Amino acid sequence: AQSVTQLGSHVSVSEGALVLLRCNYSSSVPPYLFWYVQYPNQGLQLLLKYTTGATLVKGINGFEAEFKKSETSFHLTKPSAHMSDAAEYFCAVDNFNKFYFGSGTKLNVKP
Amino acid sequence: NAGVTQTPKFQVLKTGQSMTLQCAQDMNHEYMSWYRQDPGMGLRLIHYSVGAGITDQGEVPNGYNVSRSTTEDFPLRLLSAAPSQTSVYFCASTTGDTYEQYFGPGTRLTVT
Repeated sequence: AQSVTQLGSHVSVSEGALVLLRCNYSSSVPPYLFWYVQYPNQGLQLLLKYTTGATLVKGINGFEAEFKKSETSFHLTKPSAHMSDAAEYFCAVDNFNKFYFGSGTKLNVKP
Repeated sequence: NAGVTQTPKFQVLKTGQSMTLQCAQDMNHEYMSWYRQDPGMGLRLIHYSVGAGITDQGEVPNGYNVSRSTTEDFPLRLLSAAPSQTSVYFCASTTGDTYEQYFGPGTRLTVT
């Protein structure tokens, strides 16, 4: 079975600081990988995805993530946090049409 | 396009009652799925469908039924509600080529 681990249920950064949200997955074959963002009382919105090709993928709102097969990781980064980035972020894998989500990381951005 | 719509937005049930959560999409996506979201547990897949007439179980299917008679609709039925089914339920549809999921706004269900 697939599993997705997100280290840190809460991450706090100052505005303008680097954002790093960690995601590791277990899979016997390279999966498709995703990051989603959820704002309070809303559904999830796709930030970025990795399917094939370039391992560094860029998404919306200045976020990017790098697929590292050797480390089974897909960490999400943003060079400079903005107050509007405060939300909950979910890493997910797709394995043959079944999506598995991590438990989520709540990002707090301090002024 | 309305995208993915879910009704109702909120629902309170008593233990043992049954109900159907509605989900519809107007993007002609073949793949649809239902998740439940509980604090600290992320989203867990309940059931999914890869096309009309085809459904399969996800991680947590017990207590739920689904059917898919049309491409557009994918209702989720709670057969006999239990307090453990108190959760926020999300429906999603997925493009077949880009694997992007589009989520509905969710249904907040409380079972007393």
